[in-house]
Amino acid sequence: EPEVTQTPSHQVTQMGQEVILRCVPISNHLYFYWYRQILGQKVEFLVSFYNNEISEKSEIFDDQFSVERPDGSNFTLKIRSTKLEDSAMYFCASSDNIADQETQYFGPGTRLLVL
Amino acid sequence: EDKVVQSPLSLVVHEGDTVTLNCSYEVTNFRSLLWYKQEKKAPTFLFMLTSSGIEKKSGRLSSILDKKELFSILNITATQTGDSAVYLCAVVNAGGTSYGKLTFGQGTILTVHP
Repeated sequence: EPEVTQTPSHQVTQMGQEVILRCVPISNHLYFYWYRQILGQKVEFLVSFYNNEISEKSEIFDDQFSVERPDGSNFTLKIRSTKLEDSAMYFCASSDNIADQETQYFGPGTRLLVL
Repeated sequence: EDKVVQSPLSLVVHEGDTVTLNCSYEVTNFRSLLWYKQEKKAPTFLFMLTSSGIEKKSGRLSSILDKKELFSILNITATQTGDSAVYLCAVVNAGGTSYGKLTFGQGTILTVHP
């Protein structure tokens, strides 16, 4: 069964460093998302991406964050200068078409720890 | 701001018990409600509900939506230890340029003892 994959599974970085989280969505999906979950808190929406551009972003997704689909398969989240409060589990999700875009399938997540 | 509240926050039962998990929501322009099961890591999709009163069923799990009272329930019958997980409820707002953004509740932690 097709699934969303994410790398790395864990990332430890120093405050102020740049990190890139990678995702490979399900191959025929057109809509891509990033969410994050701070330990013990709700899953929060960060950004959605369609047709090579951001379609919606939350207040969390400030200028330190960017997303890119550099080729036909990868979808990346970059945090330019990490802060302690960026420590969280980051989930990538994808969905297939506009009629069914709510059925988002999630990857296993990348646990980011900023020291 | 869209809001999703789940109850109870945690639940401990024994195998064979039936459980009911609740999700209430406030959303300006409701489109759908989704249930996910989260074990170690990724939320896995269970159900998507868009219409009131129509039960969705998958094995021992079932769910129903009440759009008038703004809530949904997830039932699990004959629980097994493998049902232990966090169950997440999320809503989609149909307004504006929303492209399927999910607003999640805080989840219900279900623990099933043998």
